[in-house]
Amino acid sequence: QVQLQESGPRLVKSSETLSLTCTVSGGSISSSYWNWVRQPAGKGLEWIGRIYSSGNTNYNPSLKSRVTMSVDTSKKQFSLKLTSVTAADTAVYYCAREGFTEAFDSWGQGTLVTVSS
Amino acid sequence: SYELTQPPSLSVSPGQTASLTCSGDKLGDKYASWYQQKPGQPPVVVIYQDTKRPSGIPERFSGSNSGNTATLTIAGTQSVDEADYYCQAWDSITVIFGGGTKLTVL
Repeated sequence: QVQLQESGPRLVKSSETLSLTCTVSGGSISSSYWNWVRQPAGKGLEWIGRIYSSGNTNYNPSLKSRVTMSVDTSKKQFSLKLTSVTAADTAVYYCAREGFTEAFDSWGQGTLVTVSS
Repeated sequence: SYELTQPPSLSVSPGQTASLTCSGDKLGDKYASWYQQKPGQPPVVVIYQDTKRPSGIPERFSGSNSGNTATLTIAGTQSVDEADYYCQAWDSITVIFGGGTKLTVL
């Protein structure tokens, strides 16, 4: 079973860039879509976007102007950058694998990122 | 933009059947997935492609999807099923999540 682990700064200043990395273990990073999902405290899930192992990306239209995703297959990692953050970007950020079923079948434990003023 | 609507809460007694709904325009034309999320934990897929259960998910979980509504049914609900449940579908190349239903078993 593939395992995912998010890493990155837990505190980001307002207007700066949030950067997170997800490390894949226990399986291949190739031939799959890798996603980022976030969840503000007490609220629902919001899809941020996805990246294929080849580097193709799709982003949530509401975040597209601020989001960049990348993948490093040699390190079995994929990354998220979210620019110009505000308090509204404070959330638990999850990375997740999209299986061939089009569902998210593996998730990281999530990491809380707080945007401070 | 496409939206999925879920009732915010549902309460059932242990042993009863819980029916959680997810509504969206022509949702039946898309695949729906369902996720269970307990406090402090990541979501876990319990139903995918409308009706399929991943290995390890109890048989009491089942799903259906037709018209504008997808339904997650939990037969013989147990206290361990108390959680938030989210439906999810694809709108072209965009993932949409419902707002979630908090299932209380009491």
